[in-house]
Amino acid sequence: EADIYQTPRYLVIGTGKKITLECSQTMGHDKMYWYQQDPGMELHLIHYSYGVNSTEKGDLSSESTVSRIRTEHFPLTLESARPSHTSQYLCASSVRQGSYEQYFGPGTRLTVT
Amino acid sequence: DAKTTQPTSMDCAEGRAANLPCNHSTISGNEYVYWYRQIHSQGPQYIIHGLKNNETNEMASLIITEDRKSSTLILPHATLRDTAVYYCIVTATGANSKLTFGKGITLSVRP
Repeated sequence: EADIYQTPRYLVIGTGKKITLECSQTMGHDKMYWYQQDPGMELHLIHYSYGVNSTEKGDLSSESTVSRIRTEHFPLTLESARPSHTSQYLCASSVRQGSYEQYFGPGTRLTVT
Repeated sequence: DAKTTQPTSMDCAEGRAANLPCNHSTISGNEYVYWYRQIHSQGPQYIIHGLKNNETNEMASLIITEDRKSSTLILPHATLRDTAVYYCIVTATGANSKLTFGKGITLSVRP
């Protein structure tokens, strides 16, 4: 079992609110990722990090921001939520070198009303 | 990263082998073939990966053709719990590499 956690699992929030989705892993992995996935659609990488104080934008443009102050923690923030942000957000982690096995969390299903 | 092509869907009977094909004709010499699966919008799960030799683990077998332009994931005895979307991904394993998930193939295991 992968030790990667996401909270909350489900979130319903009104337009304009600031939200932070939490992601933590206890495996000491250097690399962490955020993916966005609409129902029945492909996963899209929106942010990733190679280590502490490293963050990069992914393949899909996103209005969210991320930070990596500690190895185990990679939160995603939306300053002002909109209905277009309604989606599932999946966090993952992996070792930096060698095998490219990513471990995924259970996801946060966000609904913005 | 090289692109992959997978059928949209397939089904198989419970207890039978499921053979999931993937084409990756533009694969480079340093790129690996990875397979993940995603069960009903849960987080994807790593299955297996290989470079050019066939690989087997407790979940599946991966058969890569000699020219490396295609591969097949084999689930030897499919169960209902194997119903999922299966992603074939080709990527190099450098420190800065990333995974690009496509549409995958939806496997339906029927009783």
